[in-house]
Amino acid sequence: KAGVTQTPRYLIKTRGQQVTLSCSPISGHRSVSWYQQTPGQGLQFLFEYFSETQRNKGNFPGRFSGRQFSNSRSEMNVSTLELGDSALYLCASTLRTPGDTEAFFGQGTRLTVV
Amino acid sequence: QQQVKQSPQSLIVQKGGISIINCAYENTAFDYFPWYQQFPGKGPALLIAIRPDVSEKKEGRFTISFNKSAKQFSLHIMDSQPGDSATYFCAVLTSGTYKYIFGTGTRLKVLA
Repeated sequence: KAGVTQTPRYLIKTRGQQVTLSCSPISGHRSVSWYQQTPGQGLQFLFEYFSETQRNKGNFPGRFSGRQFSNSRSEMNVSTLELGDSALYLCASTLRTPGDTEAFFGQGTRLTVV
Repeated sequence: QQQVKQSPQSLIVQKGGISIINCAYENTAFDYFPWYQQFPGKGPALLIAIRPDVSEKKEGRFTISFNKSAKQFSLHIMDSQPGDSATYFCAVLTSGTYKYIFGTGTRLKVLA
């Protein structure tokens, strides 16, 4: 069974640009969550998508957005990149059934903003 | 406001020793308490998790101790091995939200 797949693995962007990251969840998982990981702030929740709808949102500015497609794949977009957006962006998929809360993480996309 | 406090920040243990990492939380609505292990260049992987209806859960060398009244839980790694060297994160979750809140992480190094 394939795990969570995130592409690309590495990205270098310039301040002011925008970026799109992709996440394919484990087959059968319908919930996809995104997290930002930085040395200073640790792992912080960005948002969660389920059935193509955003269900939860963290405390990030509107420059961070996402969407989910009918096949459960998800994309995350960051517009007007800032140096502080440099981070490891992790995607997690969940079965999202009562009693099943385990989140499976991908390897992440390392974004560097220069 | 930091909802989960994890300590220590780093830990060095001799091979065969016991590693102990602690987490404290504030919100009594949390009802799922996992520990994640992360190796460099990898995403976090679930190690072991507990729900508040039990005070201890053991899986192999890994044990979670849970103190509901104190709002604390800890990870114990028995017979620590060099391969256990990684960063460990505690997390909390309220069922139905799917919004994990993570501790700040503990970098464990096990000396051979």
